[in-house]
Amino acid sequence: SQQGEEDPQALSIQEGENATMNCSYKTSINNLQWYRQNSGRGLVHLILIRSNEREKHSGRLRVTLDTSKKSSSLLITASRAADTASYFCATDPEGGNMLTFGGGTRLMVKP
Amino acid sequence: DAGITQSPRHKVTETGTPVTLRCHQTENHRYMYWYRQDPGHGLRLIHYSYGVKDTDKGEVSDGYSVSRSKTEDFLLTLESATSSQTSVYFCATTLRTGLTGELFFGEGSRLTVL
Repeated sequence: SQQGEEDPQALSIQEGENATMNCSYKTSINNLQWYRQNSGRGLVHLILIRSNEREKHSGRLRVTLDTSKKSSSLLITASRAADTASYFCATDPEGGNMLTFGGGTRLMVKP
Repeated sequence: DAGITQSPRHKVTETGTPVTLRCHQTENHRYMYWYRQDPGHGLRLIHYSYGVKDTDKGEVSDGYSVSRSKTEDFLLTLESATSSQTSVYFCATTLRTGLTGELFFGEGSRLTVL
């Protein structure tokens, strides 16, 4: 079963709008990571947030983490057509040796 | 970009035949992983390795075996391929120091079992 579950499964917005994706997970974690996957390509790491952090920024990306609710959100501001991709959250569980991925959010940004 | 190469990138085979997918890395990363990606399931871990000759099972390991005889190579073998193993397979690596764990992915190997 998947540790992380993304919501929504698909999101369609206009260029310039903000995109928000959510991730919920089940067990205690060391960190939570977000990845991006362009169609037909491998996943690329975007950002990592540790369990003792609440918010992190990287360029147009903003990630929040609420360990009490076991949830995270990824915000992409001022989206561009090039942001069209699938976005996955992945959790690094305490005591584990592997990341567990959610099912992903498919983002389409229309020009 | 991390130097992770998967081969073959595309393969079509018949049910019952053996298949080996290769992952080669130039990063000297200790940990290597094989995932499969299927619509509606995201990425699921098949097997992983935490060092030469050290491997362990993941979530969906039935029907798969792995070997790691060198740091740079991690092989995934389907002894007798079935149609349910039609998927896109991704190799990933990580150095995994401290609390980090960022994965670097290959470009994927698309396998079709007829």
